[in-house]
Amino acid sequence: EAGVTQFPSHSVIEKGQTVTLRCDPISGHDNLYWYRRVMGKEIKFLLHFVKESKQDESGMPNNRFLAERTGGTYSTLKVQPAELEDSGVYFCASSAWTGGNEQYFGPGTRLTVT
Amino acid sequence: EDQVTQSPEALRLQEGESSSLNCSYTVSGLRGLFWYRQDPGKGPEFLFTLYSAGEEKEKERLKATLTKKESFLHITAPKPEDSATYLCAVLNAGGTSYGKLTFGQGTILTVHP
Repeated sequence: EAGVTQFPSHSVIEKGQTVTLRCDPISGHDNLYWYRRVMGKEIKFLLHFVKESKQDESGMPNNRFLAERTGGTYSTLKVQPAELEDSGVYFCASSAWTGGNEQYFGPGTRLTVT
Repeated sequence: EDQVTQSPEALRLQEGESSSLNCSYTVSGLRGLFWYRQDPGKGPEFLFTLYSAGEEKEKERLKATLTKKESFLHITAPKPEDSATYLCAVLNAGGTSYGKLTFGQGTILTVHP
């Protein structure tokens, strides 16, 4: 069974540019999550999809971040325009059901904003 | 607000030297406590889920235990390949954040041959 995949693995962009990160969850997992780890800090929750619906987006830092999950399969996270403080590693995770079972993480996308 | 504190920040062991990592948590209602292992440049890899105080889980040289305030990850006779960052996270039973994991900063474990 294929795990969670993320693309790209690394992105370097200039301040003010736009970047789109993609996540493909484990097949059959309805729940998809985005997390972020900035330098020196713990991994922090961004948002949670159940199928194509946003269940919880309480961790999204501001309106420069837009997450979508069309058709309840893969998800994209767009940052527009990017700021220096957006640099970090963005992780995607998926789980089979909501509210208790384990979340399986992808390898992450390292975003560097210069 | 949920809080997770892990100690120590870093731990160096000799191969075969057993030890424990600590995860202290504050949460209004615990739905689950999760342990993950993370290798450099990779995503967190799931190890264990604990749901209630007194519960224990084992996998190879690792054993996780849970009380009402903290969890321990015991490492018995570690090997160099156990070197990694170990992360603890909690899931709150209340509110509408059904899937939001709150992570600690992790413990960096280095096992020397």
